[in-house]
Amino acid sequence: DADVTQTPRNRITKTGKRIMLECSQTKGHDRMYWYRQDPGLGLRLIYYSFDVKDINKGEISDGYSVSRQAQAKFSLSLESAIPNQTALYFCATSETGTADSYEQYFGPGTRLTVT
Amino acid sequence: GQQLNQSPQSMFIQEGEDVSMNCTSSSIFNTWLWYKQDPGEGPVLLIALYKAGELTSNGRLTAQFGITRKDSFLNISASIPSDVGIYFCAGQLSSGGSNYKLTFGKGTLLTVNP
Repeated sequence: DADVTQTPRNRITKTGKRIMLECSQTKGHDRMYWYRQDPGLGLRLIYYSFDVKDINKGEISDGYSVSRQAQAKFSLSLESAIPNQTALYFCATSETGTADSYEQYFGPGTRLTVT
Repeated sequence: GQQLNQSPQSMFIQEGEDVSMNCTSSSIFNTWLWYKQDPGEGPVLLIALYKAGELTSNGRLTAQFGITRKDSFLNISASIPSDVGIYFCAGQLSSGGSNYKLTFGKGTLLTVNP
């Protein structure tokens, strides 16, 4: 079984709709991240969480919100989807306080299309 | 934000050839990571580097942490068709309080012709 799972894998939604992308992990990591990937722009950080009570904005958080329901679960919401939020979205995890803390492990991604 | 310059942007090679790609920055990094992304999947960690000058191998892949700490290199020897994908470098900056963050290169698209 995959260590980091994301649901749904694909989603098409209309402008103005609220949607939620979910991420679960069995790696036991404290840190979780949400990225979006656009062609030619690489991976950009949306939000990150160091533990259930610690949530922080990344470089492109506008239009997004997150919820850390448990150590293993981190959800990303688009409050009112717009077409330029069409992208691949990835969840990632990493450990805390070890030499390997910077190694991030990614889920399989959600392809989101906003029409 | 900080920029990582990854080159080349794309490569088209014949099976069996060796491949080299690199990432450079004007900033100093404490950690370099190399990932591979297959079509429709998430990036998978290939190699992690933690010391300047470090040379680490993973099968046919070899990566090096540059002495200046501003660059890193990835080499693939004797390429095979399943090496096709996008290769990303990522670095963790040595300065500033945001030491959780990784800065990603924009990727090198590798195509291997059988």
